[in-house]
Amino acid sequence: AAGVIQSPRHLIKEKRETATLKCYPIPRHDTVYWYQQGPGQDPQFLISFYEKMQSDKGSIPDRFSAQQFSDYHSELNMSSLELGDSALYFCASSLVGRTNTEAFFGQGTRLTVV
Amino acid sequence: AQTVTQSQPEMSVQEAETVTLSCTYDTSESDYYLFWYKQPPSRQMILVIRQEAYKQQNATENRFSVNFQKAAKSFSLKISDSQLGDAAMYFCAYKAQETSGSRLTFGEGTQLTVNP
Repeated sequence: AAGVIQSPRHLIKEKRETATLKCYPIPRHDTVYWYQQGPGQDPQFLISFYEKMQSDKGSIPDRFSAQQFSDYHSELNMSSLELGDSALYFCASSLVGRTNTEAFFGQGTRLTVV
Repeated sequence: AQTVTQSQPEMSVQEAETVTLSCTYDTSESDYYLFWYKQPPSRQMILVIRQEAYKQQNATENRFSVNFQKAAKSFSLKISDSQLGDAAMYFCAYKAQETSGSRLTFGEGTQLTVNP
């Protein structure tokens, strides 16, 4: 079965640079979530999109922006990168309205800011 | 805001034994979902088990079962016949009734070690 695809898997950027993370949800899923997981921490919710509209917003810095496109893939844009942005970034997708409404996670993008 | 608390940062169990991981949560909602996710060293987030709050029956998936106490807002995970492959970080998570992309809120995690 198709899973959530994230690219790239690994990314190294310098401080003050910009990074773009991509997420391709499971086909026919209408909701995408972004999470940030620092070392030894639990995943922190950043933002979600339902049917291409922002549906919920968490602790996402103003330097970050995200959108969901017409084909339902999503991109997380991160500008003016800081050392503290180094983390594992997860994308997850789900289908609203299903009885068992779990979110399926991608394998994550490991971002290292140097 | 909903909060999820896992009071056991680390747990260990002998292979083939049973272990219970604890989780409590706080919410004012009556309908919601609870999950246990497993994160092995690969850091992939893997769904272990889910529970709908409106269901009184505790969920079971093979060797994994939950003890859901809605009034006490408690949601523990029992792993029976523990296997070496069960070693991982386990996260308890809460999700409000699905409307349009409600977030998952995670607990701090419990690192489970399985001793041979």
